[in-house]
Formats: sequence, C-alpha cells, structure tokens
Amino acid sequence: AQSVTQLGSHVSVSEGALVLLRCNYSSSVPPYLFWYVQYPNQGLQLLLKYTSAATLVKGINGFEAEFKKSETSFHLTKPSAHMRDAAEYFCAVSVRQAGTALIFGKGTTLSVSS
Amino acid sequence: DAGVTQSPTHLIKTRGQQVTLRCSPKSGHDTVSWYQQALGQGPQFIFQYYEEEERQRGNFPDRFSGHQFPNYSSELNVNALLLGDSALYLCASSLGVNTEAFFGQGTRLTVV
Repeated sequence: AQSVTQLGSHVSVSEGALVLLRCNYSSSVPPYLFWYVQYPNQGLQLLLKYTSAATLVKGINGFEAEFKKSETSFHLTKPSAHMRDAAEYFCAVSVRQAGTALIFGKGTTLSVSS
Repeated sequence: DAGVTQSPTHLIKTRGQQVTLRCSPKSGHDTVSWYQQALGQGPQFIFQYYEEEERQRGNFPDRFSGHQFPNYSSELNVNALLLGDSALYLCASSLGVNTEAFFGQGTRLTVV
C-alpha cells in the first residue's frame, strides 16, 4: 500500500524567501514521486517527478525536490519565492513511472506576501 | 492542441439523482483517469480506462461507473447522488499507462 503525508496544510513566506513544502511517503515498492501545483479554479500541473534516475530533481518555475530514501521524504524547495507561486501544492506517489493512478496528499496552500 | 477538456464546468444536482460528466483527452492520448477532489482535500483516484475497459479502480462504490468510447473520450456516471459526492471531478489523459498524465480543469459538482 502507498500513502503520502504533507506536513503543514498552510505555509506562508515573504517574497524572496525560501520555500519549503514537506512530503513524506510510505510505499511497499520503490516509489515514483510527484509534485503538482493547482491554481484557483484550474486543474493540476506537474512541477517535477522522481523516477529513480537522480535523487535531486529539478522542475519548472525554479522548483526542485530531493528524494531521501532513509527519511522517506520528498520535500519541495525553491530558493526565492515569487507572488505568482501562491497556489495549492500536492505531493503524490505512484507505482508507475508515468504517474497514472496517483495517490495524493491533502495538499499545502502556499501564501506569498510582499 | 486543446489539451484535456471536461464538460460541463459546473452543475448542481439533487440528492438521489444521477449525473454524467464528460472528458475529451488530449490529442494523441488513449488513456483516461478520473479523480474526485473534495473541498480542502487532495484528489482521490476513482478509475482508469484504456482500450475501452476499466483497467484500475480506486476505493469507490459501484455507484461510480464509467465508459470509454472508441474515440478515447470518457464519461463518469454517478448514481443515487449523496451530499458527500459534492466535489471537483478531474479527468487526466495519457498515452498508455506509462506516460505522463495531463489534467483537465475539472467539473465542479454540487449536490443539494
């Protein structure tokens, strides 16, 4: 069985500050891990994905995440937040590299203040 | 490329009624997955259709059923609607089950 836990339902940062969104996973098989972003009234957009090729994954919009097997974590970071980064972020796990039949966390709302 | 399109964007139904939601996959895609996203929650996998057959199913009751047509478009049907079925329903398409899934903007269903 697989599951994802996102720590912190709401994260607030100032523009230019470091963004850190936490995700821990549980999986009985080697996992494929994903981060998605959802803007208001829109669907989900893939930010990045871990498929075992490299533990540090770079995604779109300056985001990156590091897979740490020993900590069962896949935290999302961005060195400098922009106002446009304010959105809902979801961590997800799948048994498939492509990320179909995803199991999502409950999400973290990122607020960015000027 | 129109991407994944879903219809309608919003609808309101009464408890006990039945509803059909529609999804047209991204051009070239042949696999469709459906998710339910309740307010304040992450999406939950309902089922996936490939080659007109349900290939995988999440933990949803039989009131939730689907169909995939020869042109790869898909429908999600929900019978005997409950208040708890109120949610954003997301459709995602991919080429087979081993390529990246692209999401539509969803259908907001409100059950009153």
